[in-house]
Amino acid sequence: DAGVIQSPRHEVTEMGQEVTLRCKPISGHDYLFWYRQTMMRGLELLIYFNNNVPIDDSGMPEDRFSAKMPNASFSTLKIQPSEPRDSAVYFCASSQMNQPQHFGDGTRLSIL
Amino acid sequence: AQKITQTQPGMFVQEKEAVTLDCTYDTSDQSYGLFWYKQPSSGEMIFLIYQGSYDEQNATEGRYSLNFQKARKSANLVISASQLGDSAMYFCAMREGPSGSARQLTFGSGTQLTVLP
Repeated sequence: DAGVIQSPRHEVTEMGQEVTLRCKPISGHDYLFWYRQTMMRGLELLIYFNNNVPIDDSGMPEDRFSAKMPNASFSTLKIQPSEPRDSAVYFCASSQMNQPQHFGDGTRLSIL
Repeated sequence: AQKITQTQPGMFVQEKEAVTLDCTYDTSDQSYGLFWYKQPSSGEMIFLIYQGSYDEQNATEGRYSLNFQKARKSANLVISASQLGDSAMYFCAMREGPSGSARQLTFGSGTQLTVLP
């Protein structure tokens, strides 16, 4: 079975540019999560969806970040405008209720 | 207070030996789940093992077992017969609340395990 698929794997862009990260969850999973991993703060939840509906976005750092899930097989995390402090590894994960979360390989984002 | 505490930033173990990675947690919920994930140097997060708060038996998955001591609020990961490929960062995580409630995981700071040949 295909796992969680994230794209791109790496992104390098200049400060001020818009960045869009993409995620395809595992088919049949009704929960989707976006996490950010940095050396300073570790792994933190940004937002999660249940049945395509955002449930908790309290981890989204500021208005520059937005996430959507237009259908059960696709989600995006957008940063506009990007800043150097947004540099991190961004993970998408999916799960069924009460089951472990399965993570994608992550997107390594560098903002210059 | 930290919800998940991993007190060992780094651990070394000899190949073929067993190793225990410590994890303590803090929650007032009666229903919760504890997870361990492995993150190799390539960066992906790999689910290893899960323990529910109401599970009476310690979870096992192959060479991985979870030493769950509810009264002490600890959920240590035991890796038996270590292999070189076990060298990685290991994260303990918790999901609080009963079924249907909050679903997100809270992660510890991780333990970097190095297996020596």
